[in-house]
Amino acid sequence: AQSVTQPDIHITVSEGASLELRCNYSYGATPYLFWYVQSPGQGLQLLLKYFSGDTLVQGIKGFEAEFKRSQSSFNLRKPSVHWSDAAEYFCAVGAGTYKYIFGTGTRLKVLA
Amino acid sequence: EAGVVQSPRYKIIEKKQPVAFWCNPISGHNTLYWYLQNLGQGPELLIRYENEEAVDDSQLPKDRFSAERLKGVDSTLKIQPAELGDSAVYLCASSLVSTGAPYNEQFFGPGTRLTVL
Repeated sequence: AQSVTQPDIHITVSEGASLELRCNYSYGATPYLFWYVQSPGQGLQLLLKYFSGDTLVQGIKGFEAEFKRSQSSFNLRKPSVHWSDAAEYFCAVGAGTYKYIFGTGTRLKVLA
Repeated sequence: EAGVVQSPRYKIIEKKQPVAFWCNPISGHNTLYWYLQNLGQGPELLIRYENEEAVDDSQLPKDRFSAERLKGVDSTLKIQPAELGDSAVYLCASSLVSTGAPYNEQFFGPGTRLTVL
């Protein structure tokens, strides 16, 4: 069965520090992978997506993610975190043409 | 360009009462989705519409939940009667699905936070 695991429920980093959010997926075919961010009271905003090609994907707001098929991972990274990055981050895998399966999310707290 | 609009943003009701949520998708988007997001969880699909047709409602609890998308634009999700366990955020999303594309980005609204007392 398709699934997405985000092992870290909460992560706290200092402003200016680097960030890596982990995502592992289970999917039988070539996955379509996404990272979304959800600020309090807001809907989900797409940060980046991977369909094929270069395994290092650049997104908005300075985020990037790397697809590693051998590890079934799609980790999100940012070299220097800003206080405005505090939010909840969701990894999702496309399961079928229109269906997304989301992970349980990682809540990021940024210390000034 | 306006995003996906949802109303109300917040709703508090007593159990056994009915409640309805409204969604206006991005103009021109032919596909509309309703998701349920429980606290501490990721969104889970309830129903997907292509134009007026509900093409995937397998996860919609049909004993108390209903949805409609008249004229293939706005959509309403209803719960009757509401139960305590229905307290959650209900998200609407829309996308422009084109033939042959493997995926189409889904654009999410801000959600309606429902509290059932």
